[in-house]
Amino acid sequence: EAGVVQSPRYKIIEKKQPVAFWCNPISGHNTLYWYRQNLGQGPELLIRYENEEAVDDSQLPKDRFSAERLKGVDSTLKIQPAELGDSAVYLCASSSRTSVAKNIQYFGAGTRLSVL
Amino acid sequence: QKEVEQNSGPLSVPEGAIASLNCTYSDRVSQSFFWYRQYSGKSPELIMSIYSNGDKEDGRFTAQLNKASQYVSLLIRDSQPSDSATYLCAVSPSWGKFQFGAGTQVVVTP
Repeated sequence: EAGVVQSPRYKIIEKKQPVAFWCNPISGHNTLYWYRQNLGQGPELLIRYENEEAVDDSQLPKDRFSAERLKGVDSTLKIQPAELGDSAVYLCASSSRTSVAKNIQYFGAGTRLSVL
Repeated sequence: QKEVEQNSGPLSVPEGAIASLNCTYSDRVSQSFFWYRQYSGKSPELIMSIYSNGDKEDGRFTAQLNKASQYVSLLIRDSQPSDSATYLCAVSPSWGKFQFGAGTQVVVTP
């Protein structure tokens, strides 16, 4: 079974440019998370989806960040325009709401963003 | 006060010794607790989950949970150079919600 797939793995852009990240969760996982991880820090939640619905986006900087999860499967996270402080690793994770899964989330490889 | 606190390290451990990592959390209603290993430049990988007080062992790893003290720990026995990584403690106060510590860097020296 394939894990969480993210692309691209690396992205270098100049400030004020737009950028988009894509995530394909584990098949059957209805919950999808986008995190941002700065160097030396733990992941910080940006947005959580239950199927197509964004149920927690309180930490998403909505003036420049947007996300969507059409059809409750793949998701895209966009930044427009990017700022120097957005340089970080963007992680996607997914989990399944079943008793067997026991609230465990699985991470993709991440996208390392560098804003110059 | 951070929601999940860990010593940042680095924790230097001789090969073959026991590494002991600690994590405290602030949300008393938390029910699920996780340890992730993160190699440099890689994404977090789940190594242990624990849901009830006491110890849980999986191979060389043992997680210990004390909800009354709001404390969770990870022991790594017979530490190997491949255990050198950052270990993230994650706490879940409700389903689907996770709070991460900043991680403890472990360095296993030959």
